[in-house]
Amino acid sequence: EPEVTQTPSHQVTQMGQEVILRCVPISNHLYFYWYRQILGQKVEFLVSFYNNEISEKSEIFDDQFSVERPDGSNFTLKIRSTKLEDSAMYFCASNARGPRGSQYFGPGTRLLVL
Amino acid sequence: RKEVEQDPGPFNVPEGATVAFNCTYSNSASQSFFWYRQDCRKEPKLLMSVYSSGNEDGRFTAQLNRASQYISLLIRDSKLSDSATYLCVVNHSGGGADGLTFGKGTHLIIQP
Repeated sequence: EPEVTQTPSHQVTQMGQEVILRCVPISNHLYFYWYRQILGQKVEFLVSFYNNEISEKSEIFDDQFSVERPDGSNFTLKIRSTKLEDSAMYFCASNARGPRGSQYFGPGTRLLVL
Repeated sequence: RKEVEQDPGPFNVPEGATVAFNCTYSNSASQSFFWYRQDCRKEPKLLMSVYSSGNEDGRFTAQLNRASQYISLLIRDSKLSDSATYLCVVNHSGGGADGLTFGKGTHLIIQP
């Protein structure tokens, strides 16, 4: 069964450093998403991406965040200058049908900012 | 503001019992509804979509009440492996908005 994959599984970084989280969505999917989950809290939407551009972004997705699909398979989330409060699990998701379709999540990257 | 509310539990249920969860959502224009399950420190996994007519998948039955803006999940003949957090998820899709809104989840513990 096709899966969304994410690398790295864990990342530790110093405050102020840049991090890039990588995702490989399911191959025939066209809609891609990033979510985050702070420990003990609910999953929160960050951004959606379709046709090489952002479809929607939440209030959390400020200027320090960016997304890119550099090639036909990878989908990345960059955090330019990490803050302590960026520590969270970051999930990538994808779906084939768009806004009303089911989204399938990757295993996540656990980011710890020190 | 778009919100999804769930009873956090935990629900402690003996193996073999039937258990039901509800959730409510605030945006009456919401279009799509889902139940996901999440195991500790893992990703959300799609359990089932929820349709207006109600739908069943094996031991799981989901119902949607648009008038009252609530969604339910019924688990029959519960198994130890059903222990997880169940996430009520709504897609408010409209005007290009397509991020999912998650509830905080209901924690279920199936006891032998």
